[in-house]
Amino acid sequence: QVQLQESGPGLVKPSETLSLTCTVSGGSISSGDYYWSWIRQPPGKGLEWIGYIYYSGSTYYNPSLKSRITISVDTSKNQFSLRLSSVTAADTAVYYCARAVSGTYYPIDYWGLGTLVTVSS
Amino acid sequence: DIQMTQSPSSLSASVGDRVIITCRASQSISSYLSWYQQTPGKAPNLLIYATSSLQSGVPLRFSGSGSGTDFTLTISSLQPEDFATYYCQQSYSIPYTFGQGTKLEIK
Repeated sequence: QVQLQESGPGLVKPSETLSLTCTVSGGSISSGDYYWSWIRQPPGKGLEWIGYIYYSGSTYYNPSLKSRITISVDTSKNQFSLRLSSVTAADTAVYYCARAVSGTYYPIDYWGLGTLVTVSS
Repeated sequence: DIQMTQSPSSLSASVGDRVIITCRASQSISSYLSWYQQTPGKAPNLLIYATSSLQSGVPLRFSGSGSGTDFTLTISSLQPEDFATYYCQQSYSIPYTFGQGTKLEIK
């Protein structure tokens, strides 16, 4: 059973960089069958797709965030990471890491529990 | 970006009711449509992918249909554990986008 777990600071100051890591267990991140994803959800609101990375390092980002985000992968640790720079209060959200199935249709079949990141001074 | 619009935004229903939630895409997305269920404080859970394929472990009372721009999620007989928020999502083009959600409440 695949499990994903987000980790990182729960509080980030405005203008600083948000950094989160997702640790994958129960499966290899180097499998070519998946894209490793980040999705966020502001409190009380809907879901926003941030982007994903393939094990090879190829990345696909939401254009609305592209200038501020970096998603990277560390296959030796079975982890992938998100960095979001120049954060504002609008970036306060629950951040989920997740797995999307590659090949066709790309459904997101496994999600982490989510971690709340608050942007505040 | 492809905009996904769900209706209704909220819905009151009773146990045993048949419920239909609709999702409309701003342009054709072929069959690249998934449905997720989210309960408070939890991560979303995949119910349906490729418009009508039931994810493993999801009860048969859930079904999906549609193509192009118009899609539906049907729950044939509501159970107490089905009261949740439902989201559709297109994976036809990046950025993948979600509907605004449909909150299903107990009548």
